[in-house]
Amino acid sequence: GQQVMQIPQYQHVQEGEDFTTYCNSSTTLSNIQWYKQRPGGHPVFLIQLVKSGEVKKQKRLTFQFGEAKKNSSLHITATQTTDVGTYFCAAVNQAGTALIFGKGTTLSVSS
Amino acid sequence: SAVISQKPSRDICQRGTSLTIQCQVDSQVTMMFWYRQQPGQSLTLIATANQGSEATYESGFVIDKFPISRPNLTFSTLTVSNMSPEDSSIYLCSVELGRGDTQYFGPGTRLTVL
Repeated sequence: GQQVMQIPQYQHVQEGEDFTTYCNSSTTLSNIQWYKQRPGGHPVFLIQLVKSGEVKKQKRLTFQFGEAKKNSSLHITATQTTDVGTYFCAAVNQAGTALIFGKGTTLSVSS
Repeated sequence: SAVISQKPSRDICQRGTSLTIQCQVDSQVTMMFWYRQQPGQSLTLIATANQGSEATYESGFVIDKFPISRPNLTFSTLTVSNMSPEDSSIYLCSVELGRGDTQYFGPGTRLTVL
């Protein structure tokens, strides 16, 4: 079935370092969404990308959607301890009826 | 946005019993979903709860094991039937305000089966 691959699975950084997680699909995506789940919490929507090559920024977070709409990335500049959590990408399935989530990248930050 | 509540927030159950999880939204929504998230894992869609008709189940999930009700546009229940320890997981409901739109998640129900 349709899959969304996400790497890396885990990433540990020192506070102040940058962090990037990547999301890839074998099929063209209509859009891609990013969610953050804090430890013990539930997923919270961050952003949706729709256009080919789209780049959106939220403070220290930069989201990109590939030109072929098959991949996406989330980059965090100068990580802080508040960035700790698991970041999921998600894409609408081919039937357009539900979201398929990547396996997530769990970020830990040491100060 | 939407505010979603779930009950119970957590439970510990005995093998062979059933648990019904409730999901309440503060506004009428067309699309409601139930997910399972096993410890340290991603979210797996169980089913889409359709108002006025049977739920649509994903591969690997069946109605006998996970019956779902959707009596109106603000409420849904998921029952985990004849539980085994393998059912220990977090169960999350979510809503979508528009087709293919962002999803808003409830706080989840943490289920432990002994």
